[in-house]
Amino acid sequence: RKEVEQDPGPFNVPEGATVAFNCTYSNSASQSFFWYRQDCRKEPKLLMSVYSSGNEDGRFTAQLNRASQYISLLIRDSKLSDSATYLCVVNRGGGYQKVTFGTGTKLQVIP
Amino acid sequence: SQTIHQWPATLVQPVGSPLSLECTVEGTSNPNLYWYRQAAGRGLQLLFYSVGIGQISSEVPQNLSASRPQDRQFILSSKKLLLSDSGFYLCAYRGVGAEAFFGQGTRLTVV
Repeated sequence: RKEVEQDPGPFNVPEGATVAFNCTYSNSASQSFFWYRQDCRKEPKLLMSVYSSGNEDGRFTAQLNRASQYISLLIRDSKLSDSATYLCVVNRGGGYQKVTFGTGTKLQVIP
Repeated sequence: SQTIHQWPATLVQPVGSPLSLECTVEGTSNPNLYWYRQAAGRGLQLLFYSVGIGQISSEVPQNLSASRPQDRQFILSSKKLLLSDSGFYLCAYRGVGAEAFFGQGTRLTVV
């Protein structure tokens, strides 16, 4: 089983829609979680951290479900500019040094 | 503030030629540094990471090597490139919250 798994999509949604992505992780000792956004032919950029209690940044909401070992990203009122690939990152923390990325979920917002 | 520089942005190299990609970080000391590769339409594959000068951990056996001659310098090399080495190479450093920050990447095409 892969350490971090995401549905590759693509998710094609109309402008204004709400869309959610999940990311499952295999190691229950994982401690840090993040969502990244990657535009075509560009480097990934940090979108938001994921906190245990859930957190929101404008139209974006991130949540963590430790019992089921997944994180989620909810985007409300989708904009055309939200079209990108969304990558999740899971770190084990402690002395573990690797930063492990999921393969990404592609989102296409349609006019 | 921390910044990360990676060059060149694009590179076309013939099969069998050597490779040297350089990455430098500013504004931080003793960072964890990473090299990733992203093949077209694929996820990020961790190639190497380094926790300090001269310390290199290899994730995937392959035609590449990495070196860290200085605290804030990370180099990716190959003695003889293969066609399969084509891809988008990304250098990253690890932030205090365990997130990764990327350079702008090098798009390598081996012909």
